[in-house]
Amino acid sequence: NAGVTQTPKFQVLKTGQSMTLQCAQDMNHNSMYWYRQDPGMGLRLIYYSASEGTTDKGEVPNGYNVSRLNKREFSLRLESAAPSQTSVYFCASSASRGSNYGYTFGSGTRLTVV
Amino acid sequence: KQEVTQIPAALSVPEGENLVLNCSFTDSAIYNLQWFRQDPGKGLTSLLLIQSSQREQTSGRLNASLDKSSGRSTLYIAASQPGDSATYLCAVSQRRGSTLGRLYFGRGTQLTVWP
Repeated sequence: NAGVTQTPKFQVLKTGQSMTLQCAQDMNHNSMYWYRQDPGMGLRLIYYSASEGTTDKGEVPNGYNVSRLNKREFSLRLESAAPSQTSVYFCASSASRGSNYGYTFGSGTRLTVV
Repeated sequence: KQEVTQIPAALSVPEGENLVLNCSFTDSAIYNLQWFRQDPGKGLTSLLLIQSSQREQTSGRLNASLDKSSGRSTLYIAASQPGDSATYLCAVSQRRGSTLGRLYFGRGTQLTVWP
């Protein structure tokens, strides 16, 4: 099925460990996004990539890095995980950054940092 | 900065009722407004997308309206069912400036429909 695929679905990290969350879309979308969802805070934008080869910070970029590997793939890296990064992470894509098309979301990665 | 508010935060109703969920936003410079459904522990499923030039969209028992000038949208659910129980999220796609295309979310309405 066409859509946005995220891996892994669940992860437990120790404080200070690093990891990369993977995201891939097969809809030929130009723009991709990483959000985190926390209770009482709603969804907040971490980073986005308007097109292949570009990335920009969102509302809460501290502690994260991203890579737009190609048009399909957009990864999120935690270099030194902290308990405050315990969250559910969602990847999304859209046809273009400024467009009349909606967003498609992946199923999420549930990350716990202990 | 765009702010999106959803009212009520939670709603519990018996099966069969017609429901209205409300969403308001502060900046009318939007490309579109999207309603999502999120089941517990799951991702976001898009329900309806309304372009800024449109007034409403319908899908089955769902009808969403948009009044861009007043910064309001409503999601109407007809003849609610227990399977409609979920959190409903409203999001707007920003049209202006450095936040072009960014999606701003409300905090959602948690709906429970009991038999």
